Amino acid sequence: DAKTTQPNSMESNEEEPVHLPCNHSTISGTDYIHWYRQLPSQGPEYVIHGLTSNVNNRMASLAIAEDRKSSTLILHRATLRDAAVYYCIRFSGYALNFGKGTSLLVTP
Amino acid sequence: DTAVSQTPKYLVTQMGNDKSIKCEQNLGHDTMYWYKQDSKKFLKIMFSYNNKELIINETVPNRFSPKSPDKAHLNLHINSLELGDSAVYFCASSQDVGSGVYGYTFGSGTRLTVV
Repeated sequence: DAKTTQPNSMESNEEEPVHLPCNHSTISGTDYIHWYRQLPSQGPEYVIHGLTSNVNNRMASLAIAEDRKSSTLILHRATLRDAAVYYCIRFSGYALNFGKGTSLLVTP
Repeated sequence: DTAVSQTPKYLVTQMGNDKSIKCEQNLGHDTMYWYKQDSKKFLKIMFSYNNKELIINETVPNRFSPKSPDKAHLNLHINSLELGDSAVYFCASSQDVGSGVYGYTFGSGTRLTVV
């Protein structure tokens, strides 16, 4: 039980921004929000994580709602190589527990 | 220079055999993990070791036995392999256990096929 809700799939055009939503309405104050992605036939890859404030790195941005009950992963310009399953994980306990994730399709 | 490396990448074996998968990380992390991804693509935690000490042992058949000779290595030994053990097994590491402060680094996986 990953305790997050994500859409099963999303589609984006190449070169456009992508906003991947995640609901974690039962999150507690100390739970970090992690995002990973898994490209076809590869291992999961760390994307970004945060606690309360919005976060940016070279891969993406993470926008966390003020009440922390939801977050959005932002890919600023989608490329074909960004096609993957994106997992939003509410980190509580001792390890990452993966849900079903969102399968992102990027079309040229 | 691969951060988390697993060997072998592919493993095909017959039912009833015993096999091992090896994992090594060169990141200096204290915690290592084994995950299983089945044919439906669900990723499930199996084990976690922190500095050679077992931290997490999920509901996994006792035919699966992890071994950590040092904090840079976490091997997975599987006895009496069954068809249902066919899956992709991922090793991962993180700087600490339980805080969520640090991200995980995953290996590229070992695809185990039991015939």
